[in-house]
Amino acid sequence: DAGVTQSPTHLIKTRGQHVTLRCSPISGHKSVSWYQQVLGQGPQFIFQYYEKEERGRGNFPDRFSARQFPNYSSELNVNALLLGDSALYLCASSLRSHRSSYNSPLHFGNGTRLTVT
Amino acid sequence: AQTVTQSQPEMSVQEAETVTLSCTYDTSESDYYLFWYKQPPSRQMILVIRQEAYKQQNATENRFSVNFQKAAKSFSLKISDSQLGDAAMYFCAYRSAKGNEKLTFGTGTRLTIIP
Repeated sequence: DAGVTQSPTHLIKTRGQHVTLRCSPISGHKSVSWYQQVLGQGPQFIFQYYEKEERGRGNFPDRFSARQFPNYSSELNVNALLLGDSALYLCASSLRSHRSSYNSPLHFGNGTRLTVT
Repeated sequence: AQTVTQSQPEMSVQEAETVTLSCTYDTSESDYYLFWYKQPPSRQMILVIRQEAYKQQNATENRFSVNFQKAAKSFSLKISDSQLGDAAMYFCAYRSAKGNEKLTFGTGTRLTIIP
């Protein structure tokens, strides 16, 4: 079975532009989460979506938004890009519902490396 | 808010030897889960081992084991018989047993394996 797939793998944008990152979860997984990993740090939680509804949001500005589609894939959108948005963006999926569960660990993709110049 | 601290930015170990990575966390909750993830240069976060806070028994997965001290809020990872493929960044992570699936990560420990 294919794992979590993210596209594109690398992206270069200019300050002020908009970016859309895409994620396809493992087949059968209904929950998708997004994380931002700045160089030298651990991932920071951005969003969790389950059944097309937002189930959790981290401490990120409104420039960050996301959505989940009927096939459970997801998009992360970032508007008005800043230099500080340069990071590795990780997507993770799980079988999970809106409640936390030990039995549904997160499976991560390889991430999208975003560089803002 | 929960926090996770990894005080060792870098560690190295001789191949076939044993190494222990440290992790402490802060929480007011009594029910939660703890994880160790490995991130090789391929960037993918790979789950190494997990522990439920209500279980007293330390989790073990082949060469990987944890020392979970709930009162001390400590969750260290021991890697036995280190192999070259173990070289990676290792992240400790916390997840509440209630609410959403948010993981709170530490800053990571870079593990180097010396041949």
